[in-house]
Amino acid sequence: DAKTTQPPSMDCAEGRAANLPCNHSTISGNEYVYWYRQIHSQGPQYIIHGLKNNETNEMASLIITEDRKSSTLILPHATLRDTAVYYCIHNAGNMLTFGGGTRLMVKP
Amino acid sequence: ETGVTQTPRHLVMGMTNKKSLKCEQHLGHNAMYWYKQSAKKPLELMFVYNFKEQTENNSVPSRFSPECPNSSHLFLHLHTLQPEDSALYLCASSQEGSIAGGLETQYFGPGTRLLVL
Repeated sequence: DAKTTQPPSMDCAEGRAANLPCNHSTISGNEYVYWYRQIHSQGPQYIIHGLKNNETNEMASLIITEDRKSSTLILPHATLRDTAVYYCIHNAGNMLTFGGGTRLMVKP
Repeated sequence: ETGVTQTPRHLVMGMTNKKSLKCEQHLGHNAMYWYKQSAKKPLELMFVYNFKEQTENNSVPSRFSPECPNSSHLFLHLHTLQPEDSALYLCASSQEGSIAGGLETQYFGPGTRLLVL
């Protein structure tokens, strides 16, 4: 079973920030938080990861709460091409367990 | 383009056929994975190979037989499949294949969409 909880779906207006929440209350000290996304009929794509500190890359920002029990993925200016299922995962090592993710629909 | 390729992209087979899915990674990684994604279900990890050795078999039926001849290539041999095996089969790779901890970003191929009739 997936160890994270995400809302099943969200909508976002094109050009606005998309904030995708994730609860991972059972995360342990050495586990990273990963975010992947899957555009329809394609393989999952790595977005970003973090351990304790907030992270930012060219795709997104990741905000992790101080107690590490939840995080938020931020797409600062969502485009139509960001429509996808977004997965939040926490794991130590290479055994990824995917949950249902959040289906983000970016609308014009 | 993630550096992980899969062939074929689409496959239709009968229940008595034998076919193979191929995955190749051009990233210099040491770990490779097979996942299954059925309609409206989460991705399920099937097999893990680290340095060509199988380190995980997630209770997969024997009609699925993986093969990893080297760190760059991974095959999934299929025979006597059932219609419920129709799914998207995804291959992924990562640098070290560590199960003990640390960062293991996985890079996925585009998948093979399999239909069993």
